[in-house]
Amino acid sequence: AQSVTQLGSHVSVSEGALVLLRCNYSSSVPPYLFWYVQYPNQGLQLLLKYTTGATLVKGINGFEAEFKKSETSFHLTKPSAHMSDAAEYFCAVSPRNYKLTFGKGTLLTVNP
Amino acid sequence: GAGVSQSPSNKVTEKGKDVELRCDPISGHTALYWYRQSLGQGLEFLIYFQGNSAPDKSGLPSDRFSAERTGGSVSTLTIQRTQQEDSAVYLCASSLGQYGGAGELFFGEGSRLTVL
Repeated sequence: AQSVTQLGSHVSVSEGALVLLRCNYSSSVPPYLFWYVQYPNQGLQLLLKYTTGATLVKGINGFEAEFKKSETSFHLTKPSAHMSDAAEYFCAVSPRNYKLTFGKGTLLTVNP
Repeated sequence: GAGVSQSPSNKVTEKGKDVELRCDPISGHTALYWYRQSLGQGLEFLIYFQGNSAPDKSGLPSDRFSAERTGGSVSTLTIQRTQQEDSAVYLCASSLGQYGGAGELFFGEGSRLTVL
């Protein structure tokens, strides 16, 4: 079985500051890992994903995440927050099939 | 349109009534999913379709919930005898291929259901 824990339901940063959203997972098989973003009143959009190969993956809008197997983590970072990054972010895990299990989400607020 | 389309976008109903929620996936996407999003609960998997078949319906909360897909395209989620705890946003997603294209799901904007 798979599960995802996102540490912090709400993260607040200042514009220009580092963004760090934490995700830990459990999986009985080598996983695929994902981050999705949801802007207000919109559906979810894929930010980035890890399937195989390089453990540091880059996504859209300057976000990146690093798969650390030893820590069972897949934290999302961005060096400098922008006001437009304010949204809810979801980490998800898949046992390499159709099934995605999502975390409960982290709401990111960016202060001017 | 090019994206996943859901209707209605908002539905207010009275307890005990039946509701139908519709999803029109991206053309050519064989996989279709329904998720439920409740405040503070994240996304809860409901059902997965591959073509018109539903090999995984393990997330449907009760026998009041059912879903079908026809023509390998449009899907309808039906909730009978709605209860207040059914209030949530119901999200539909589609993807290419049997294995979801390595997880790239394309989501609609959701149908917000409010049960009074």
